[in-house]
Amino acid sequence: AQTVTQSQPEMSVQEAETVTLSCTYDTSESDYYLFWYKQPPSRQMILVIRQEAYKQQNATENRFSVNFQKAAKSFSLKISDSQLGDAAMYFCAYRASNAGGTSYGKLTFGQGTILTVHP
Amino acid sequence: DAGITQSPRHKVTETGTPVTLRCHQTENHRYMYWYRQDPGHGLRLIHYSYGVKDTDKGEVSDGYSVSRSKTEDFLLTLESATSSQTSVYFCAISDLDRGNYGYTFGSGTRLTVV
Repeated sequence: AQTVTQSQPEMSVQEAETVTLSCTYDTSESDYYLFWYKQPPSRQMILVIRQEAYKQQNATENRFSVNFQKAAKSFSLKISDSQLGDAAMYFCAYRASNAGGTSYGKLTFGQGTILTVHP
Repeated sequence: DAGITQSPRHKVTETGTPVTLRCHQTENHRYMYWYRQDPGHGLRLIHYSYGVKDTDKGEVSDGYSVSRSKTEDFLLTLESATSSQTSVYFCAISDLDRGNYGYTFGSGTRLTVV
C-alpha cells in the first residue's frame, strides 16, 4: 500500500520569507500524481499544486513550486514571499495513475503540516 | 464548494445511536469518496464509489457503511456511533472519466460522539 509521510507537524516563517514543506512517499508504481492541498481554518480543501510523475519538470504556480525527486520519492513544497494568507494546514497527497481504472482515483494523504506566518 | 454539499455541517450524537451523513453533488461525477480527518493522521479514506450502487471499502471502513442509489447522493452511515468516530468527515468528488485530475471537496461535517 502507498504511504505518504509529512515529518514536520508544524513550521513557521516570517512574512516575505521562503519556507519549504517536506513530503516523502512510498510506492511501487512508476506512474502517479502528487498533490499539495491547503486547508485554512474554514476547513475548505484548496488545491495548491499538482505534479505528474512522468514529467521531470517541477510544477510551479505563482509563489508555489515543488521539488520533485522521483528516485528519492520526495515531493517538497516551496512557498516564496510568504503572505499572512498562506497560514494554514498543508497536506501532501498521492494518487496512482488511473491507467486500467483500478485506482478509482483514491487519494492517500500525509499527516499534514501546520504553517504559521509571522508578520 | 460549488457543486457539492455536505449535511449536516455539525452534529453531536450519543454513543450507540445511528448517524447518517449526506453528500450531494450537482456535477454528475461518477467518483465519490468519504474521508475522515483526525489530528496526526491527515485524511483517511473510509469508503468510495465509482458509480450508482458501486462502492468499496477504504483503509478505515470498520463501523461505517455507505449507499449510493443515485449519482448525486452518497450517504455515510455509522450504524452505532462510538467515541472513536468523533472526527471531521469530508466528502469529495472527481471526474476521472474525462481525464480530470481534480477533486472537489465538501465543507466537512464535524461529528462529536458523546
